[in-house]
Amino acid sequence: DIQMTQSPSSLSASVGDRVTITCRASQSISSNLNWYQQKPGKVPKLLIYGASSLQSGVPSTFSGSGSGTDFTLTISSLQPEDFATYYCQQSYTTPHTFGQGTKLEIK
Amino acid sequence: EVQLVQSGAEVKKPGESLQISCKGSGYSFTIFWIGWVRQTPGKGLEWMGTIFPGNSDTIYSPSFRGQVTISVDKSINTAYLQWSSLKASDTAIYYCARRGPNDYNHFDYWGQGTLVTVSS
Repeated sequence: DIQMTQSPSSLSASVGDRVTITCRASQSISSNLNWYQQKPGKVPKLLIYGASSLQSGVPSTFSGSGSGTDFTLTISSLQPEDFATYYCQQSYTTPHTFGQGTKLEIK
Repeated sequence: EVQLVQSGAEVKKPGESLQISCKGSGYSFTIFWIGWVRQTPGKGLEWMGTIFPGNSDTIYSPSFRGQVTISVDKSINTAYLQWSSLKASDTAIYYCARRGPNDYNHFDYWGQGTLVTVSS
């Protein structure tokens, strides 16, 4: 299985901050990388697919980049509703493994 | 509107069998893969497997092959996840999700989740 490692595991930030979360794959996955947001007690929500394509309806403050093994999710200006846990997922080869998650908390 | 509606929470004893369901609506059910994802506090999100409703082609994660069965009844737009003998370690929230319409294999719509509790 391809291992997905996110960093950091947790992060404290303030409203208005620019935040970057990193995801590293154990082997090259081309651009087959997706990002999801999950709030407590809620269903995961797709933010970014194909490393950099913004899902319909997702604010443009979210962006994704990277290819190969190293990827980033950037939130350009944190809003109160962005405090959540973020997961990356590789969809290059089955099983389509997830990262362990990054919990974004209010400072 | 695309919707995936899952069956309700279950409480079972070890060794019992269980089938949970996921009914799709608002789109052409047979042409989009449906996947199952397990979520536990300790292991986060785990991709279990996926099925193509059009022909029931199924792919399992090695971690779950032989532990669960994924099936579909396309006549009623419903996918299933089944256990023949539950273990306490199967306690988790299980999500079904639709694979998106392009080649990136992402999950664009998710069911609301089914909490399965296995306890003696």
